[in-house]
Amino acid sequence: NAGVTQTPKFQVLKTGQSMTLQCAQDMNHNSMYWYRQDPGMGLRLIYYSASEGTTDKGEVPNGYNVSRLNKREFSLRLESAAPSQTSVYFCASEGGAGNTEAFFGQGTRLTVV
Amino acid sequence: GQQVMQIPQYQHVQEGEDFTTYCNSSTTLSNIQWYKQRPGGHPVFLIQLVKSGEVKKQKRLTFQFGEAKKNSSLHITATQTTDVGTYFCAGRKSNDYKLSFGAGTTVTVRA
Repeated sequence: NAGVTQTPKFQVLKTGQSMTLQCAQDMNHNSMYWYRQDPGMGLRLIYYSASEGTTDKGEVPNGYNVSRLNKREFSLRLESAAPSQTSVYFCASEGGAGNTEAFFGQGTRLTVV
Repeated sequence: GQQVMQIPQYQHVQEGEDFTTYCNSSTTLSNIQWYKQRPGGHPVFLIQLVKSGEVKKQKRLTFQFGEAKKNSSLHITATQTTDVGTYFCAGRKSNDYKLSFGAGTTVTVRA
């Protein structure tokens, strides 16, 4: 039982390049999240998906797109990376009843140069 | 901005001392959760509080949810080196299932 799996763990991009961060969970959870973590800023919500096929913007969605094609997977895409997107990205999932704990992936450390 | 504010941002504690971290929201929360992130790790769930005025304990950790369900606190007694890490609170508004995190309190311990 892997829980929440994120790939890749580390990535270096040049400004303007694109990439997709992958996230998959095997707990049959409805809700999935993408957060970014920056020093002193805590975890800021980028996008949220309450169920397969639905997505909502969080606090900091600009520069990102997401896709929830099935219940297991929730991907985050950077179309044109900027240095301001250098961060640690966490994917999380939870049952979705509004009162369940969130499980986090190991994180992706992204550097944009 | 973040709907949940957390203070202090940093807490430097002598081993054996107690400390408290606070979480405040401008809106009523349906529930609040606390997570711990060890250095280099990912956040891990500690506890959830749902009821107004609720108090829960986990060994040396005491969690409280305010009467108005707008604030919460985490109190750690007799701090140990294993308590090092960042503690986050995370809340949900009553009409929104999204989980919003505070900025966290990063705890360091002096032996």
